Amino acid sequence: DIQMTQSPSSLYASVGDRVTITCRANQSVNIYLNWYQQRPGKAPNLLIYAVSKLQSGVSSRFSGSGSGTEFTLTISSLQPEDFATYYCQQTYRYRTFGQGTRLELK
Amino acid sequence: QVLLQESGPGLVKPSETLSLTCSVSGGSVINYSWTWVRQFAGKGLEYLGLISSSGSTNYSPSFKSRVSMSIDTSKSQFSLELASVTAADTAIYYCARVAVAGSGRAFDIWGQGTLVTVSS
Repeated sequence: DIQMTQSPSSLYASVGDRVTITCRANQSVNIYLNWYQQRPGKAPNLLIYAVSKLQSGVSSRFSGSGSGTEFTLTISSLQPEDFATYYCQQTYRYRTFGQGTRLELK
Repeated sequence: QVLLQESGPGLVKPSETLSLTCSVSGGSVINYSWTWVRQFAGKGLEYLGLISSSGSTNYSPSFKSRVSMSIDTSKSQFSLELASVTAADTAIYYCARVAVAGSGRAFDIWGQGTLVTVSS
């Protein structure tokens, strides 16, 4: 099984901050790495697919990078609506999600 | 605008089979794959499997012995069955669409989710 580990598990930040979330796989997932945002009581929402491609309609303050086994999601300037939980997902072999990173207001 | 809506019993007895249906509106089920994901209360996301519009399936090894998926293209619906449920299967169940080729096989459209409780 491909295991996905996110860090940190929780993150405190302020509006306007730049934040980075890391996702590591225990083996290469090639380009098959996606990021989702989930707000409380809502379904996940696709932000980034194939490592760095921005899903249509998603703000350009979100960006993704990485390769192989290590990936990052960066939010360039936090807005109030960005405080949510973020998940990475590998779709290289079967599909598995990271455990999530909860982004909270400092 | 493509919308997905899960439906099915919100309460299932232990040892019975959980059955859910996802109805797709505003678009075709043809030429896409469709998937089921669940989420325990306040916890992470767990992939159950996916089904193509032609009926080919790919199940998570964690569920392979208990899960079954089907699709009815004439009704724009696909379904999930999870057998021999226990309280550990209590979760919110989401259906979602798998994005087209070149999109990282991401899940680009999700239903709102439905809570299924396993209890006698």
